[in-house]
Amino acid sequence: QSALTQPASVSGSPGQSITISCTGTSSDVGGYNHVSWYQQHPGKAPKLMIYEVSNRPSGVSNRFSGSKSGNTASLTISGLQAEDEADYYCSSYTGTNTPWVFGGGTKLTVL
Amino acid sequence: EVQLVESGGGLVQPGGSLRLSCAASGFTFRNNWMNWVRQAPGKGLEWVANINKDGTATYYVDSVKGRFTISRDNARDSLYLHMNSLRVEDTAVYYCAKDEDWANDYWGQGTLVTVSS
Repeated sequence: QSALTQPASVSGSPGQSITISCTGTSSDVGGYNHVSWYQQHPGKAPKLMIYEVSNRPSGVSNRFSGSKSGNTASLTISGLQAEDEADYYCSSYTGTNTPWVFGGGTKLTVL
Repeated sequence: EVQLVESGGGLVQPGGSLRLSCAASGFTFRNNWMNWVRQAPGKGLEWVANINKDGTATYYVDSVKGRFTISRDNARDSLYLHMNSLRVEDTAVYYCAKDEDWANDYWGQGTLVTVSS
């Protein structure tokens, strides 16, 4: 099972919006709505930001939103803030006997 | 408050073995699938293995099949990862994570496994 494809880096200025893409195949992202997104600050454990494509866990800011079209899922962060600077990972269910796969990660820089 | 606390990491020689543990609290452990996810130094996240609620079904990433075994003890609210025939490329921080709604909603702080001679 190959890793999902994410851009290595994205950047934006405070207050702007950015979108991170996560491209898979019809066997993972395109085949199921079990796509989630994680935020990871340096030296810290990952934190769940979005589950089931577009659902936010309790306590996660509504500036974070998720969507999916075909084999590509997206995470959008609006009103960028300095504390959003982190690595972001997508994950998808694959329905195989290797049921989960992560993306390679995207480093978000807030300029 | 949900807490996941990993332990058991350390330095081991190639070909050696190690057992990681994850102590869970703050939720009904037996009601959730559980995952192990690892992160090599400076690299991304990699899903390693998961186990169903009663421990009767387990799944692994291809690179660890036949070498790693995930297990759980619901009476002790604990998750384990038995790692044999360790390789240099298994060097990573290993996280245990709670599965909820098809996502990992809580993660431990991780335990570092270093495979080196």
